[in-house]
Amino acid sequence: QSVLTQPPSMSAAPGQTVTISCSGSSSNVGNNFVSWYRHLPGTAPQLIIYDNSKRPSEIPARFSGSKSASSATLGITGLQTGDEADYYCATWDSSLSSFVFGSGTQVTVL
Amino acid sequence: QVQLLESGPGLVKPSETLSLTCAIPGLSITFGYSWGWVRLPPGKGLEWIGGISQSGAASYNPTLKGRVTLSIDTARNEVSLSLSSISAADTAVYFCVRRWQFLTQDYFDSWGQGTQVTVSS
Repeated sequence: QSVLTQPPSMSAAPGQTVTISCSGSSSNVGNNFVSWYRHLPGTAPQLIIYDNSKRPSEIPARFSGSKSASSATLGITGLQTGDEADYYCATWDSSLSSFVFGSGTQVTVL
Repeated sequence: QVQLLESGPGLVKPSETLSLTCAIPGLSITFGYSWGWVRLPPGKGLEWIGGISQSGAASYNPTLKGRVTLSIDTARNEVSLSLSSISAADTAVYFCVRRWQFLTQDYFDSWGQGTQVTVSS
């Protein structure tokens, strides 16, 4: 059971927006940078957000990240069929002395 | 984009020790990054196994501590994982990762394709 809680699944139609939450505590999200990863089964996971809200150069601006207190959020606008994947938040947990991942959210494009 | 190439036995018997290797061609392993391993058990989420710095300082997931050892071979430009007392719960896809750590920055910016490890007698 992960210390970072995400909704198990989310779905939306093409062109719409999905917002994925990542809820933690002061020992992890509250006091450390959050990163987000996209994973399509059978492929290498990909970093899509780091330092709470920064995007690697190859990630389109449709993806955004934010953080408030002990919760982080990943937003995907203009949803495309290619966005179907599992999305994970992650950060360092100072109490556990361990890097931790969220429980993962499966995004489906209707 | 850096290449991370995992290799391993694929099938391991319970109670044995799993050994995996990650080769990093084209980039010196001492360049300034840390390295590590993450796994994905079937039907579950990603799990951090551990990390190792370019100097060889290692840190491990407390849930695996005592069973896991990471090492770095600068001559061969490889990172290795050893996981002892294997059980069915260790069945997973194992990913090699490059980790950027600077002050409070901490994230995995490159991932290998992963190698499937199945524990079965």
